[in-house]
Amino acid sequence: ETGVTQSPTHLIKTRGQQVTLRCSSQSGHNTVSWYQQALGQGPQFIFQYYREEENGRGNFPPRFSGLQFPNYSSELNVNALELDDSALYLCASSLSVMNTEAFFGQGTRLTVV
Amino acid sequence: GENVEQHPSTLSVQEGDSAVIKCTYSDSASNYFPWYKQELGKGPQLIIDIRSNVGEKKDQRIAVTLNKTAKHFSLHITETQPEDSAVYFCAAAVMEYGNKLVFGAGTILRVKS
Repeated sequence: ETGVTQSPTHLIKTRGQQVTLRCSSQSGHNTVSWYQQALGQGPQFIFQYYREEENGRGNFPPRFSGLQFPNYSSELNVNALELDDSALYLCASSLSVMNTEAFFGQGTRLTVV
Repeated sequence: GENVEQHPSTLSVQEGDSAVIKCTYSDSASNYFPWYKQELGKGPQLIIDIRSNVGEKKDQRIAVTLNKTAKHFSLHITETQPEDSAVYFCAAAVMEYGNKLVFGAGTILRVKS
């Protein structure tokens, strides 16, 4: 167990809707990163939050947005859902923004129909 | 940007044999190389990592080697057991820029008993 928890575990949404996924980082970890893992592929970096500020973003459109709260928990929001957004969304927390390992949660399986 | 290639995509071994998974990376600035194990329905679990100032690292039955000149690194699992069956991912990152991991496509390891 990594101590990183994500909710919900599964979610079904309709194309065009909006979704919010949540992540509680491991105790003491101030950095949270979000990844998208399509079926049969490796995780792809979406963005990272450090002390409530975005600290880097991967190749994802602006309809993917996030937040980090003072307790370092985080949200991933996706607007105008598309069928291709169906994936496992993973949250990883790190003790600090650099030079430390990343520990993943169990993920949220999002299905867009 | 960084690109990580991983081979083979599937690997079947007999229980007790060794398994080797290889990865290459493209960005010479990358200096951190973790390996993750992902079981069905779970998030990736960090099993071992290596930093660019080290050529080899061992942890019981698992070892990782790094060749910076050739830009490749490998995971070695000895005395494989059925519970080693999972998907294994290699990744690369520049630690000073925040641990934003670039993953390989994964290797499905099956250990036959």
